Amino acid sequence: NAGVTQTPKFRVLKTGQSMTLLCAQDMNHEYMYWYRQDPGMGLRLIHYSVGEGTTAKGEVPDGYNVSRLKKQNFLLGLESAAPSQTSVYFCASSGATGGYTGNTIYFGEGSWLTVV
Amino acid sequence: GIQVEQSPPDLILQEGANSTLRCNFSDSVNNLQWFHQNPWGQLINLFYIPSGTKQNGRLSATTVATERYSLLYISSSQTTDSGVYFCAALKAAGNKLTFGGGTRVLVKP
Repeated sequence: NAGVTQTPKFRVLKTGQSMTLLCAQDMNHEYMYWYRQDPGMGLRLIHYSVGEGTTAKGEVPDGYNVSRLKKQNFLLGLESAAPSQTSVYFCASSGATGGYTGNTIYFGEGSWLTVV
Repeated sequence: GIQVEQSPPDLILQEGANSTLRCNFSDSVNNLQWFHQNPWGQLINLFYIPSGTKQNGRLSATTVATERYSLLYISSSQTTDSGVYFCAALKAAGNKLTFGGGTRVLVKP
């Protein structure tokens, strides 16, 4: 039972390079999220999606783009990486938001990104 | 957006001790969850608890939605309880889960 899978788990980028983080979930969830976690801090929402073909901005969207072409996948792109984007990135998914019982959010194991 | 504040920021416990972690939120919520992030960075969902009380082994949680706070109780703490505990809230009619800053817990043997 894979749950939420992120690839790659570790990556070192040079400033200005681009890359894509892939998130895949096998729970048929509608909602998917990308968060970043900086050292000693909580999680901040970058972008999220409420269904296939939809995306929306979170708290800290600048410098990132996302796509949800398939329901099970949510891609996070960095077009021109900057040292300020050095962080741990977490993908998550949930069945729905709103007042429904059991809408737990499930996280992937994280992707450690360093921009030098 | 909704504000989520956790206290205390840090907690050092002797193995076997009990403790209470608090989460205050600034608006009405219909989704409140507690997570444990272990020392390896993995985030584990502990409770989905928009209201009421739940228990899971040595852990229990209570949310008083009308007073906008939630409590996480750790009883008979063990070294494996070490890590960071986050609460996250979704306000009514919203669709973005907001995280608090976390409580860092260290349980000493």
